[in-house]
Amino acid sequence: GDSVTQMEGPVTLSEEAFLTINCTYTATGYPSLFWYVQYPGEGLQLLLKATKADDKGSNKGFEATYRKETTSFHLEKGSVQVSDSAVYFCALNSGGYQKVTFGTGTKLQVIP
Amino acid sequence: DADVTQTPRNRITKTGKRIMLECSQTKGHDRMYWYRQDPGLGLRLIYYSFDVKDINKGEISDGYSVSRQAQAKFSLSLESAIPNQTALYFCATSGDIGESGANVLTFGAGSRLTVL
Repeated sequence: GDSVTQMEGPVTLSEEAFLTINCTYTATGYPSLFWYVQYPGEGLQLLLKATKADDKGSNKGFEATYRKETTSFHLEKGSVQVSDSAVYFCALNSGGYQKVTFGTGTKLQVIP
Repeated sequence: DADVTQTPRNRITKTGKRIMLECSQTKGHDRMYWYRQDPGLGLRLIYYSFDVKDINKGEISDGYSVSRQAQAKFSLSLESAIPNQTALYFCATSGDIGESGANVLTFGAGSRLTVL
């Protein structure tokens, strides 16, 4: 079945540091890939997505590129802020019902 | 008002009690989902519904049931709650996937359930 593997956290960075959160996946066919973000006390919200190989999703300074050859969708940001502290989930959908499968989440803490 | 509203936001109950978590949406979406979030396990799908007459089990449906009362309402029930059902529960919706194939979910704020 489909699966998503992402790096375990927590990840602690100083403000303005470079962020990478690794995500790899296993899926049949050609999945769509997502990053969702969960701020404290809130539900998940879509951060960015990519629907085909070599697509780059971007939003709020975050980027991720759909790499079919390495089955990866790593999240990056050049300069993190304290307000980026949250839990980040990598996810995919595929198959006839297009069910969404999530990774286990990576908690990011940015310190001033 | 939020697009996806969950009630209650927090609930503490005892083992053996029946609990209902409710979800309503104003997105006009046909697809609705219930997920459970546990630390270190991410989100796991409990049930999903593609319209009022179409309800399907997810990966962890045992001990849960659902009811799709209308396009906008999707309730999750625990018939006899047990402590390992203590978790954060999320309702989500999605609309027409379209040519892109991307099934984008809109989440509620979550319902935190504690079973003593």
